[in-house]
Amino acid sequence: GDSVTQMEGPVTLSEEAFLTINCTYTATGYPSLFWYVQYPGEGLQLLLKATKADDKGSNKGFEATYRKETTSFHLEKGSVQVSDSAVYFCALYSGNTPLVFGKGTRLSVIA
Amino acid sequence: NAGVTQTPKFQVLKTGQSMTLQCAQDMNHEYMSWYRQDPGMGLRLIHYSVGAGITDQGEVPNGYNVSRSTTEDFPLRLLSAAPSQTSVYFCASSKGGNYGYTFGSGTRLTVV
Repeated sequence: GDSVTQMEGPVTLSEEAFLTINCTYTATGYPSLFWYVQYPGEGLQLLLKATKADDKGSNKGFEATYRKETTSFHLEKGSVQVSDSAVYFCALYSGNTPLVFGKGTRLSVIA
Repeated sequence: NAGVTQTPKFQVLKTGQSMTLQCAQDMNHEYMSWYRQDPGMGLRLIHYSVGAGITDQGEVPNGYNVSRSTTEDFPLRLLSAAPSQTSVYFCASSKGGNYGYTFGSGTRLTVV
């Protein structure tokens, strides 16, 4: 079945550091890929998405490129802020069932 | 536009009790889903619906029932609560999977 694997956390960075959170997937066909963010005590918010190979999703300084050849969708940000501290989830939709999620990566950014 | 509304936000149940977690959306979305979130497990799909009158099981459906009598509402019923159902429950809706899902703020359930 479909699955998503993302790097385990927690990830701790200093403010203005570069962020990468790795995400790889297994799916039939050509899934759509998503990154969601969850701030403490809140629900999940859609951060960005890509629906076909080589698409780049971007939002709030975060980017991720849909790489079909490596089945990856790594999340990057050039300069993180304390306000980016949250849990980040990679997810896919392949048309069979609703979103399939990775286990999440907790990011802590310290000033 | 309220989005996805979940009630209650917090609930404590005794083992064996039953209850219904409410979920309502005002975006006229056909797709609705229930997930549970547990530490280190990510989000796991309980049940989902692709339209009124249509429901299906997800990854962890045991102990839960759903129905979808209207487009707006998708309640989740716990039949006989067990401590293993202690979790945070999220409802989500979408106009189509490729658009992504909108999530509610969650219900934190504790079963003692």
